[in-house]
Amino acid sequence: DIQMTQSPSSLSASVGDRVTITCRASQNIASYLNWYQCKPGKAPKLLIYAASNLQTGVPSRFSGSGSVTDFTLTISSLQPEDFATYYCQHSYSTPVTFGQGTKLEI
Amino acid sequence: QVQLVQSGAEVKIPGASVKVFCKTSGYTFTSHAIHWVRQAPGQRLEWMGWIHTGNGNTIYSQNFQDRISFTRDPSASTAYMELNSLRFEDTAVYSCARDRGLQYYDMDVWGQGTTVTVSS
Repeated sequence: DIQMTQSPSSLSASVGDRVTITCRASQNIASYLNWYQCKPGKAPKLLIYAASNLQTGVPSRFSGSGSVTDFTLTISSLQPEDFATYYCQHSYSTPVTFGQGTKLEI
Repeated sequence: QVQLVQSGAEVKIPGASVKVFCKTSGYTFTSHAIHWVRQAPGQRLEWMGWIHTGNGNTIYSQNFQDRISFTRDPSASTAYMELNSLRFEDTAVYSCARDRGLQYYDMDVWGQGTTVTVSS
């Protein structure tokens, strides 16, 4: 199975900050990388698919980049509603796997 | 709008089975596959498998290979997940999620989650 490793595991930031979360795959996954936002008690939300494509309805302050094994999720200017846990997930092959999550805290 | 509504919380004893449904609305059921994902307390999201809503083909994670079954009823726009021989470590929130298509293996809309507690 392909292993996904995120860093950092947790991150403290303030409203208005620029934040970057990284995700590394254990092997080449081309651009088959997706990012999700999770909040307690709510359904996860797809933010970015295929490494850099913004899902419909997601604010443009979210962006994704990378390919092969190294990927980043960037939030250009943090808003109060962005404090959540973020997961990367590869969709290169089955089984798909997720990173361990990055908890973004105030 | 697109919705995936799951069945309610379950409490089961070890060795029992649980069946969770995922009723969809707001789109053509057979145009998007359904994934099942679980999250145990303090753990990362874990993919359980995928069902092609058109032909019923399935792919199961080897972590559940012998204990899991996915089915679907296109007439009811509903997918089902059954997990057998439950263990304490199966205590988790189980979610269905819609594939962006039939085989993208990403998930653009999720159900609200079903809490399954395995306890004696």
